[in-house]
Amino acid sequence: DAKTTQPNSMESNEEEPVHLPCNHSTISGTDYIHWYRQLPSQGPEYVIHGLTSNVNNRMASLAIAEDRKSSTLILHRATLRDAAVYYCILRDVRTGNQFYFGTGTSLTVIP
Amino acid sequence: DTGVSQNPRHKITKRGQNVTFRCDPISEHNRLYWYRQTLGQGPEFLTYFQNEAQLEKSRLLSDRFSAERPKGSFSTLEIQRTEQGDSAMYLCASSRTRGGNTDTQYFGPGTRLTVL
Repeated sequence: DAKTTQPNSMESNEEEPVHLPCNHSTISGTDYIHWYRQLPSQGPEYVIHGLTSNVNNRMASLAIAEDRKSSTLILHRATLRDAAVYYCILRDVRTGNQFYFGTGTSLTVIP
Repeated sequence: DTGVSQNPRHKITKRGQNVTFRCDPISEHNRLYWYRQTLGQGPEFLTYFQNEAQLEKSRLLSDRFSAERPKGSFSTLEIQRTEQGDSAMYLCASSRTRGGNTDTQYFGPGTRLTVL
């Protein structure tokens, strides 16, 4: 199972951008990069995913390094509702669709 | 989509008892997954179904655990002879293999199990 490395915790001021890093040096060519977040007492929630190119959606942007060994989730303006644990996950489409979560990054948003 | 639902939301049981959890996926999602999450850790994959077929089981799924999805819709996860180490949040997720976003798993709110 491909592994990811994330900082245990990060802080951000409200309404400022947040860059959440993820290292995945053992990524293979068929691994998709997924980001999920989990608010307290809830199940994980999809944020964004990509393969090689940078991706944008209404929630966030995903910047993928050219060698794909790292990626960054960008929240453009953090709000208090963005306080959650953010998980960076690699999914190999060849072996199945199950996700292997790490311990994630706990994001604190300071008002 | 009404979302993935799980019942019960909370379960307290005594060691040695059997418990069963239910998951109702988003309608027309043919894949269904079970995960377990302990405090401070990310979810751990247990097993998944495509329609009625159980396609993969994690090493974490001991013989005391059994999952079924008899009609390819809802699923049940049963734990026999519960142990204190089984205390965790049990999460269910579903996804589709055709049409729409096939890469996204949608998670339910989970069932929190406490074994006394």
